[in-house]
Amino acid sequence: QKEVEQDPGPLSVPEGAIVSLNCTYSNSAFQYFMWYRQYSRKGPELLMYTYSSGNKEDGRFTAQVDKSSKYISLFIRDSQPSDSATYLCAMSRLSGSARQLTFGSGTQLTVLP
Amino acid sequence: DAGVTQSPTHLIKTRGQHVTLRCSPISGHKSVSWYQQVLGQGPQFIFQYYEKEERGRGNFPDRFSARQFPNYSSELNVNALLLGDSALYLCASTSTAANEKLFFGSGTQLSVL
Repeated sequence: QKEVEQDPGPLSVPEGAIVSLNCTYSNSAFQYFMWYRQYSRKGPELLMYTYSSGNKEDGRFTAQVDKSSKYISLFIRDSQPSDSATYLCAMSRLSGSARQLTFGSGTQLTVLP
Repeated sequence: DAGVTQSPTHLIKTRGQHVTLRCSPISGHKSVSWYQQVLGQGPQFIFQYYEKEERGRGNFPDRFSARQFPNYSSELNVNALLLGDSALYLCASTSTAANEKLFFGSGTQLSVL
C-alpha cells in the first residue's frame, strides 16, 4: 500500500467550474501538507502548504486538511484554462535531519474554454 | 533572482552507460534534494544534501550517487544505466535541511535506450 494515494483522474471541467482534488495518506509522521502544480515537461511549482488541520485560502485556491481522517483536498474556484496542469499532493516529514517529500501520483486537470 | 537551474535539459544514453546531472540552487539556499519522476507518477526522493553532507537517501540502488560542492551546487551520478532509469530527474533547493518549502527546477529528461 502506498503511503499517499491520490485520485488519479484525468479530470475535465468547463471554465468557471469548482474543482476538487483529493489525497489520502497512511503515515502519521507527515507534518506538512502541500499541493504542487506541474505543467507538461516542467518542474513542480508549490501552490499551497499547510501544517494544521483546517482550511487555508489563497485567492481562488483553498487547501483543506483533516488529520483525523488522513485526508487532504485542494479546491479551485472559478477554474480557468490556464489551470490546466497536473496537480500533485505532497506530504513532508523529517527523516533524521532530512526533509523528505512523499508525492501522490498526480491528477491531470483540463479546464475547457 | 534565478530559480533552481538544471543541466542538461535532455539527455539520451544507452544501457550500461554513466550519466552526470547538474543542479544550481537558488542563491542563498544551502540544501539540494534530488527526485526521480517516472512518466505518470509523482516524484520519488533520491537524496538530500546540506552543507556538502548527505542528510538523507531514498530507496534507490548504489548505482545512484550524488555530491554537493562548496558553492552548494550539486551533481547526481547514475552508473550502469538501465532502461528503467528513464525519467525526469528533478532538483529542489531549500534554505536549510529541515525547511519544508522545496523549490524545484525544470528537470533533466533522461532517456535510456
